[in-house]
Amino acid sequence: AQSVSQHNHHVILSEAASLELGCNYSYGGTVNLFWYVQYPGQHLQLLLKYFSGDPLVKGIKGFEAEFIKSKFSFNLRKPSVQWSDTAEYFCAVRGYSTLTFGKGTMLLVSP
Amino acid sequence: SQTIHQWPATLVQPVGSPLSLECTVEGTSNPNLYWYRQAAGRGLQLLFYSVGIGQISSEVPQNLSASRPQDRQFILSSKKLLLSDSGFYLCAWSLGNYGYTFGSGTRLTVV
Repeated sequence: AQSVSQHNHHVILSEAASLELGCNYSYGGTVNLFWYVQYPGQHLQLLLKYFSGDPLVKGIKGFEAEFIKSKFSFNLRKPSVQWSDTAEYFCAVRGYSTLTFGKGTMLLVSP
Repeated sequence: SQTIHQWPATLVQPVGSPLSLECTVEGTSNPNLYWYRQAAGRGLQLLFYSVGIGQISSEVPQNLSASRPQDRQFILSSKKLLLSDSGFYLCAWSLGNYGYTFGSGTRLTVV
């Protein structure tokens, strides 16, 4: 069975600080990897995804993630966060069929 | 374009009452459909998924059931709600290996 672990439940940063949210997964085969974001009061939205090819994936709003197969990791990064990045971030993995989510990381960016 | 509708947005139900949450998808055919529950600090938990009419897979045994009476309709039900059924329920759809698209969710409070 596949599983996803997100390292931090809550992260607090000041504006302009750099962000890295950790995500590790467990699955023995080929995986598709995703980061979703949920802004306060809004739907879950896809931030970026990795299927194959370049392990460094660029998403919307300046986010990127790097797939490191040897470490089973797919960490999310942003060089300089903004107040509007305050949201909950979910890492997800799809192995055989369905999408399995991590427990989420709540990011609070203070102005 | 494809859209996903989920209703109601909020629901308050007494313990022991029945439940029916409906999700419909427009603009696509034969999607995979999913019901997730989101609980604070626990991420998104997959409850049911369906790859076709009448085909339901249950991920977590509990007080809920799902049905897919039509290709683009997915219903989450319960005969008797428990307090522990409170949560935020999300419907999603996907096609092939693409990412999931989520509905706006239903906030269920069982009192």
